[in-house]
Amino acid sequence: NAGVTQTPKFRILKIGQSMTLQCTQDMNHNYMYWYRQDPGMGLKLIYYSVGAGITDKGEVPNGYNVSRSTTEDFPLRLELAAPSQTSVYFCASSYGGNGNTIYFGEGSWLTVV
Amino acid sequence: DAKTTQPPSMDCAEGRAANLPCNHSTISGNEYVYWYRQIHSQGPQYIIHGLKNNETNEMASLIITEDRKSSTLILPHATLRDTAVYYCIVRLWMDSSYKLIFGSGTRLLVRP
Repeated sequence: NAGVTQTPKFRILKIGQSMTLQCTQDMNHNYMYWYRQDPGMGLKLIYYSVGAGITDKGEVPNGYNVSRSTTEDFPLRLELAAPSQTSVYFCASSYGGNGNTIYFGEGSWLTVV
Repeated sequence: DAKTTQPPSMDCAEGRAANLPCNHSTISGNEYVYWYRQIHSQGPQYIIHGLKNNETNEMASLIITEDRKSSTLILPHATLRDTAVYYCIVRLWMDSSYKLIFGSGTRLLVRP
């Protein structure tokens, strides 16, 4: 049981490039989340999903896209990378009901230059 | 929407109890309080959560006031490795789903 796995751990991207951050969980959780964390700040919710085929925007969705074709995977896509997207990205998952533990991945460090 | 308020920083001596307060005055009846911590820029680590009763596990205790407007996380014997940012979070029911919205957290420094 690996929990929540994120890849890559580190990436440097040039302005205007595109990339996908991968997130996989093996706990059969229906809820999955993407957060970003800028230096010295708390986590901000980007997108979330309550199940395969269902996604919705969080607090800071601009510049990102997501899809949820399977229960296990929730990739986050950056289409035209900008320096403002330099951040640490965290994926999380849980069972949907309130009172359940939310598990986080170890993060993906992204730098846009 | 329920939001949380925490002091930006606190410190305590190693071996002593660390008591981290949190205000969540607009919490709704079915919204849980969660505590996570983050060491450096690692992924947030789950500590404990509760609804209305006090909770205890191997890491900490959670004391929730009777009116549920505030709570306190207690680390009974703080160690240097407990130095971290601690987040008190209310899991909100918004737009037909549960969301975990983070605040700014409390930076706890455990002194030798």
